[in-house]
Amino acid sequence: KNEVEQSPQNLTAQEGEFITINCSYSVGISALHWLQQHPGGGIVSLFMLSSGKKKHGRLIATINIQEKHSSLHITASHPRDSAVYICAGETSGSRLTFGEGTQLTVNP
Amino acid sequence: SAVISQKPSRDICQRGTSLTIQCQVDSQVTMMFWYRQQPGQSLTLIATANQGSEATYESGFVIDKFPISRPNLTFSTLTVSNMSPEDSSIYLCSVSRGGVAETQYFGPGTRLLVL
Repeated sequence: KNEVEQSPQNLTAQEGEFITINCSYSVGISALHWLQQHPGGGIVSLFMLSSGKKKHGRLIATINIQEKHSSLHITASHPRDSAVYICAGETSGSRLTFGEGTQLTVNP
Repeated sequence: SAVISQKPSRDICQRGTSLTIQCQVDSQVTMMFWYRQQPGQSLTLIATANQGSEATYESGFVIDKFPISRPNLTFSTLTVSNMSPEDSSIYLCSVSRGGVAETQYFGPGTRLLVL
């Protein structure tokens, strides 16, 4: 069983919709990273969370440590948000274990 | 932040040969990692590159297949040895400044196709 489980695998939305991607993780993960990967392959770090909630522009990430669950929300989605979103759990030595990724497509 | 470059950006290689991928960071970093992303899959950690000592490999990865060097705090290489088509992947390096819950920065990746 993977230490990091992500859902959904694929998500299609209309421009303007509110989007939520979920991530559950197992014991031993000290922080949760949200990453964005564009079709060209480049990976950008969006958030790193060990507690609470973070917001950057239209992106919001939350984490519930007791439930070992994190969510990434995108408000007022736009076609340029189309990408793969990956959650990754950080274990000892700053090593990351990745979820399978969510392919998001936002249609105009 | 950290700016990371990788060379080559892509390559096509024949089976049985080896390829060395370079990762250069614009500032000193504590942690450097090498990942593999096979087609259609998410990333898998290959190893942690340790400055001045042998890399720490994850389960399923061995030094003979993926030798890693890290001569200083800004540079590392990953060699993919005796390649087979199953090694066709994107190889990425990432860095962090160390400590718990630090942002990781990723290089642009090296796309490798083995024929």
